[in-house]
Amino acid sequence: GAVVSQHPSRVICKSGTSVKIECRSLDFQATTMFWYRQFPKQSLMLMATSNEGSKATYEQGVEKDKFLINHASLTLSTLTVTSAHPEDSSFYICSASGVAGGSTDTQYFGPGTRLTVL
Amino acid sequence: AQKVTQAQTEISVVEKEDVTLDCVYETRDTTYYLFWYKQPPSGELVFLIRRNSFDEQNEISGRYSWNFQKSTSSFNFTITASQVVDSAVYFCALLTGTASKLTFGTGTRLQVTL
Repeated sequence: GAVVSQHPSRVICKSGTSVKIECRSLDFQATTMFWYRQFPKQSLMLMATSNEGSKATYEQGVEKDKFLINHASLTLSTLTVTSAHPEDSSFYICSASGVAGGSTDTQYFGPGTRLTVL
Repeated sequence: AQKVTQAQTEISVVEKEDVTLDCVYETRDTTYYLFWYKQPPSGELVFLIRRNSFDEQNEISGRYSWNFQKSTSSFNFTITASQVVDSAVYFCALLTGTASKLTFGTGTRLQVTL
C-alpha cells in the first residue's frame, strides 16, 4: 500500500515552454502533497506544501508564479513549471501523506521527474 | 529549529560486511518522528521506517536494524550482511508537529561491492 506515482518520469523541453508534472496517490487519499527539488548529489529541498482544495504554501525563495501547484483532488496534485529555463533543470519529486491522517503522517514519495530544459 | 546531521557522506563496503549509517538530530520539540528513506539509483525514495520520540525500542526488520537513543539524539541504521542491492543513498529525516514538514539530512551514499 501507500503507492505514489508521478508522470512523466523524464521530460526534455525547450527554454520558454511550460511543463506539467502530475503526482497521484494510487491507493490512499492524500490530504497533503509535497513537492521537492533535488540537485545532483544533494538532499531534497522542499518547494511547497499543498492541501486538497486550498492554495499551496511555498517555501521561502520559491517563486509561486514560476512553479504553479494545483491540488484539485485527494489523489492528484500537479506542478507546472512555467516558462522553463535551463536553471530549472532538476529532479522533481512529489510526496503524499494521509494514510493515517494528521499533520505528522508519513510521507510516501513518487519516483520523481527528471526535467531537462534546453 | 530542526536539524539532521548525517556525517558520513560516502561509505564503501564489500558484500556481506555489516555497515552502520549514523544520524544525529536536533529539535526542541518533545514529540517528534524520525524516518529513514532509501534512494536507489532509479531516484525514488523508499520509506524504510518511522519512529516516534516516545518509543525508544530498537527495531529489526530482516537485515535492517535501527538504534534510537534519545540521550545522544541519534537514530542509527545498521545493515547486516550487506548486499549489492543495498547500494543507494540513505536519508534520515525528522518531522515535528511544530514544523509539520520533513527535515532531511544530507544523505549517506552507500556503495556495496562484490
